[in-house]
Amino acid sequence: AQSVTQLGSHVSVSEGALVLLRCNYSSSVPPYLFWYVQYPNQGLQLLLKYTSAATLVKGINGFEAEFKKSETSFHLTKPSAHMSDAAEYFCAVSGSGGSYIPTFGRGTSLIVHP
Amino acid sequence: DVKVTQSSRYLVKRTGEKVFLECVQDMDHENMFWYRQDPGLGLRLIYFSYDVKMKEKGDIPEGYSVSREKKERFSLILESASTNQTSMYLCASTSRPSRAVVNYGYTFGSGTRLTVV
Repeated sequence: AQSVTQLGSHVSVSEGALVLLRCNYSSSVPPYLFWYVQYPNQGLQLLLKYTSAATLVKGINGFEAEFKKSETSFHLTKPSAHMSDAAEYFCAVSGSGGSYIPTFGRGTSLIVHP
Repeated sequence: DVKVTQSSRYLVKRTGEKVFLECVQDMDHENMFWYRQDPGLGLRLIYFSYDVKMKEKGDIPEGYSVSREKKERFSLILESASTNQTSMYLCASTSRPSRAVVNYGYTFGSGTRLTVV
């Protein structure tokens, strides 16, 4: 079985501040891990993914995430938040039981204050 | 630009109605998926299809059915709509093989917000 826990349903930061969105996973096999972003009134868009290559993964819009097996974590970071980063962010895991279909976390809403 | 198009952005239906949600993709993808999205619950998989006329149940198929008569179109059907099916519905697709979900991720539609009254 696989599951994802996103800590914090809402995260609020000031523009220019560090963004940190937390994701912990459980999986019986080495996982594939993803971050998706959903802007208001849109579908989800793949931000970045980990597929057992480099543990530090760079994505679009300046975001990156680090796979830490010992901590079963895949936290999403960005050094400096922009107003345009305000969105819902979803962490997802796949690979358990031979299935590639991801299991999504409950989402974290990022709020950026001017 | 590749696209997944959901026919309606907003729908309001009455309890007991039969509801069709349509999804069309123009990328020649074999795999298509229906999710529902609820606040605090994330995305939950309802049904998916690996090929024309094939369907597989996801995590929450109760109260729903699907139809895939053509490769580009995947329909979600609420046989008798109920108020607890009020939700955002998202369609997604990806190419064969199923590992493409890992390599390329999904392409999502913009969603249909369904309200059942």
